[in-house]
Amino acid sequence: SQTIHQWPATLVQPVGSPLSLECTVEGTSNPNLYWYRQAAGRGLQLLFYSVGIGQISSEVPQNLSASRPQDRQFILSSKKLLLSDSGFYLCAWSVPSYEQYFGPGTRLTVT
Amino acid sequence: GEDVEQSLFLSVREGDSSVINCTYTDSSSTYLYWYKQEPGAGLQLLTYIFSNMDMKQDQRLTVLLNKKDKHLSLRIADTQTGDSAIYFCAESRAGGSYIPTFGRGTSLIVHP
Repeated sequence: SQTIHQWPATLVQPVGSPLSLECTVEGTSNPNLYWYRQAAGRGLQLLFYSVGIGQISSEVPQNLSASRPQDRQFILSSKKLLLSDSGFYLCAWSVPSYEQYFGPGTRLTVT
Repeated sequence: GEDVEQSLFLSVREGDSSVINCTYTDSSSTYLYWYKQEPGAGLQLLTYIFSNMDMKQDQRLTVLLNKKDKHLSLRIADTQTGDSAIYFCAESRAGGSYIPTFGRGTSLIVHP
């Protein structure tokens, strides 16, 4: 069966510090991968998605970036965090055109 | 306007039925989903329906689709306090890189 992991589960970082969130998927090959941000427990904002290794599409211009160094690994990064980067970050995977499966999320607080 | 719309809150009494509604705008939608998010957790796929279906039932959950009106609903029978969560409606369509569009979520509050 397929599983999706995210870490860390929670993170508190000062403004201006770097960020690296990792997501890995097991039990499937060549999935579509997604990063979402959810503010204040509400709607999902799609940040990045990837249909293959090294292929990243950005939905929202910001100080975040994403990389996919391996087929089942998706990384969200920032060189300098802003207060507005606080939120709940969710990684998801899907077989193209079908339902998405979400990881447990990372709660990021920028202080 | 938003492509997928939901009311933000719904409050019900334990044991009653809950009905969460969703409307969407894309007539090309092929798949429609309901996700559940408990506090501090990721989204869990509850159920889905294909656009060529009118209804799908799965234990306490009933999904109704009115394709003409682009209206989707989720009925939870005998609602329990453990059903308290945010419920997201989402739509998608066939096509390799199409990304599902999510509603903003409905917070279901179940009172004992």
